[in-house]
Amino acid sequence: QKEVEQDPGPLSVPEGAIVSLNCTYSNSAFQYFMWYRQYSRKGPELLMYTYSSGNKEDGRFTAQVDKSSKYISLFIRDSQPSDSATYLCAMSAGASYDKVIFGPGTSLSVIP
Amino acid sequence: GAVVSQHPSRVICKSGTSVKIECRSLDFQATTMFWYRQFPKQSLMLMATSNEGSKATYEQGVEKDKFLINHASLTLSTLTVTSAHPEDSSFYICSARGGIYNEQFFGPGTRLTVL
Repeated sequence: QKEVEQDPGPLSVPEGAIVSLNCTYSNSAFQYFMWYRQYSRKGPELLMYTYSSGNKEDGRFTAQVDKSSKYISLFIRDSQPSDSATYLCAMSAGASYDKVIFGPGTSLSVIP
Repeated sequence: GAVVSQHPSRVICKSGTSVKIECRSLDFQATTMFWYRQFPKQSLMLMATSNEGSKATYEQGVEKDKFLINHASLTLSTLTVTSAHPEDSSFYICSARGGIYNEQFFGPGTRLTVL
């Protein structure tokens, strides 16, 4: 079993839809959870960062962490064509970010 | 926000040659930088952790003699792919640790193609 699993997609939604992206993980030591967005041929950029369980909202993005289920989600409201990218979940056990494990990424296309 | 640059952005070389990739943190000092490799439609795989002034720590399965890492200053780390072969063709991405959450900021990546 991989440490972090993520449906690779591709996921295609119409503009304005709510997008739900998810990851599951197996290592209960993970406490820091991140979502990165990666455009084609570019490096990833940090979207959301959360510690332990709970929700965090930033504009159109909401990150949820359920440590009891080892399940994290990223919701995108009012999706835009510019949101079309690959979304990578990532997590680590320590605050020092010494070892960040990435999911394989979900490819999202938002159709105008 | 923190900016990390990489140079070159794309390189094509012949098999057997060595290629050097630079990673710079432009507006912050990074005691730790990371090097990742990403194959098409796959996630980032950590190759090594680079600490300023000390030897890099390589992940299992990554040949330290083939992928030479130097972190000579707080703003620069270099990755040299020695005697590159076609199977080394990949997208190499560096990151530098910093910011209020001590998170990783990624460079734009270097696409290496070995003919």
